[in-house]
Amino acid sequence: DIVMTQFPDSLAVSLGERATINCRSSQTVLSRSLNKSHLAWFQQKPGQPPHLLISWASTRESGVPDRFSGSGSGTDFTLSISSLQAEDVAVYYCQQYYSTPYTFGQGTKLEIK
Amino acid sequence: QVQLQESGPGLVKPSETVSLTCTISGGPISDYYWGWIRQPPGKGLEWIGYIFLSDTTHYNPSLKSRITISVDGSKNQFSLKLSDVTAADTAVYYCTRRGYNDVWGRGTLVTVSS
Repeated sequence: DIVMTQFPDSLAVSLGERATINCRSSQTVLSRSLNKSHLAWFQQKPGQPPHLLISWASTRESGVPDRFSGSGSGTDFTLSISSLQAEDVAVYYCQQYYSTPYTFGQGTKLEIK
Repeated sequence: QVQLQESGPGLVKPSETVSLTCTISGGPISDYYWGWIRQPPGKGLEWIGYIFLSDTTHYNPSLKSRITISVDGSKNQFSLKLSDVTAADTAVYYCTRRGYNDVWGRGTLVTVSS
């Protein structure tokens, strides 16, 4: 199984500041044929299902604010929130969908400082 | 806009089989992978498995001996059966679309207790 490790486990950032969450996979999730990494980012607020923010490591989903961006390739990935808003408080997960069993990171809890 | 809705019994006894159904609205069941993910209370996400076109399934090896995912195209539904449940199977179960889970249901809580 591919193990997904996120860091940090929790993060406190001031409103308007940048938040950065990292995710590392134990094996590459880069498809050479597609030249894309099979990596997704989700946001989960209390009592709600996860919400897809980013697919293919850097493709923002329709309707997702452009302050959210994803980067990275192969085994190392980053989710950035350029200017933190109060509504961004949530738990964030990365997930690889390169090979089954698909696996998630343990989650990063983002709070306001 | 595609929407998913899970349904299930809520409470099941240990050693029983729980059956969950996901109803798809706003789009056909064909052409996509459909899957199940679960989340124990206060914990992270675990991928259970997916199905494609009724005959292609992939299951999490940690659950493989106990799970079956199937499709009912006539009802635009797909289902999960999990057998021999224990307290460790207590979780919110979500149905989703695609490998990268672009659409989620709201989830249904399954509690295993005698």
